[in-house]
This record gives sequence, structure tokens and C-alpha cells, in this order.
Amino acid sequence: DIVLTQSPATLSVTPGESVSLSCRASQGISTDIHWYQQKSNESPRLLIKYASQSISGIPSRFSGSGSGTDFTLSINRVESEDFSVYYCQQSYSLPHTFGAGTKLELK
Amino acid sequence: EVQLQESGPGLVKPSQSRSLTCSVTGYSITSNYWGWIRKFPGNKMEWMGYISYSGSTSYNPSLKSRISITRDTSKNQFFLQLNSVTTEDTATYYCVGYGYNYWYFDFWGPGTMVTVSS
Repeated sequence: DIVLTQSPATLSVTPGESVSLSCRASQGISTDIHWYQQKSNESPRLLIKYASQSISGIPSRFSGSGSGTDFTLSINRVESEDFSVYYCQQSYSLPHTFGAGTKLELK
Repeated sequence: EVQLQESGPGLVKPSQSRSLTCSVTGYSITSNYWGWIRKFPGNKMEWMGYISYSGSTSYNPSLKSRISITRDTSKNQFFLQLNSVTTEDTATYYCVGYGYNYWYFDFWGPGTMVTVSS
């Protein structure tokens, strides 16, 4: 199985800061990585597909980059509604796997 | 609007089988891939398997022969059965719909918590 390692596990920031969340794959997966946001007591929501493709309805402050084994989710100027857990997921091969998540919290 | 809704027992005894139903509205299950994902206490997420528009299935090898995903196209529902459950199967279970012709999860149910306890 492909292992996805997300870092950091927790990121403490103040609103207005810009942040980068990392997801590293145990082998090359091209751009077959997707990012989700999960707020407390809600289902995950797709933020970015195929490493960098935007999703309709998702604020433009969210962007993704990377290919191969290293991927980044960037949030430009964090807003209060962004404090939640972020997961990456690979679709390069079955079984689909997820990273352990990065919790974005208020400093 | 596509909506998914899980239903099923919230408490199961060890060694029993557990079945969950996902009811889909706004999208025919014969036109896409549909699956199950679970989230354990502590936030680990696990893909369990999918059923395709044609009824073919694929499962996570970690679940070995304990899992079965089936469907009822007349009711636009698909089902998860997990056999021989243990306390390690305690999790929130989500039914999901894939992006059309893509391998990300575009649609999610609200999730249902299942506790395995004697």
C-alpha cells in the first residue's frame, strides 16, 4: 500500500497568516493526490483534486501543488472558518489511502 | 443535488455481522462508482471498498474476506456488510460517491457512528 505522510500533525496559526501543509508519498504517484477539509462533526469536503486542480465553490485562497512524491496544500491568509483537519488521499493505486491529517488550529 | 444518507445499527456485539445502507438521491448508482470509508477514533481514515456502476466491486485487502458491498438499483441504495466485527471496527462510517470517471470522493454522507461492544 502507498503510505502518505502528512506534516506537521498540528499547525497553530493566527488568522491572516498563510500556511503550507505537506503530504509525502512512499512512492511516486504522479499527480494522483486529492485534498479534503473536515470540520468538527461534518463530513470531509473535497478541496483540491489531482494535486492542483481547483474545485467549484472552494475559496480561491486554497491551492495545491506538487508531483511525484511531494505535495503541498497552501492556504493564503487563513480565515477563522479554515480551522479544521486536512487530509490528503492518493488514487494512484488501490487500495486508496489517506494521510493521518494535519490539524489547523488557532494560536 | 446529490445526497447520500447512511443508516444502520449504531451498536454491534463482537463477532456479529453488521450491515449499513446508503440511500442515494439526485444521482443514479448505475452511473458512477460508490464506496465506503471509515474514520477511526484518533482520525485515521480507511477506504473500505467500492461498487461500480455495473455492480463490480473492489475491496481493501486489509478487510480480507470480511467485507461485502452490494446494491439495490430499484431503490438506488448500496450496502456494506462487515462480518466478524471486533472492537477495532468501532468507527464512523461514511458512504461516498466518486467524481464521475475520476478517483476522488466528490460526495459524502453525513456518516454514522458504529460502536462494537459487548
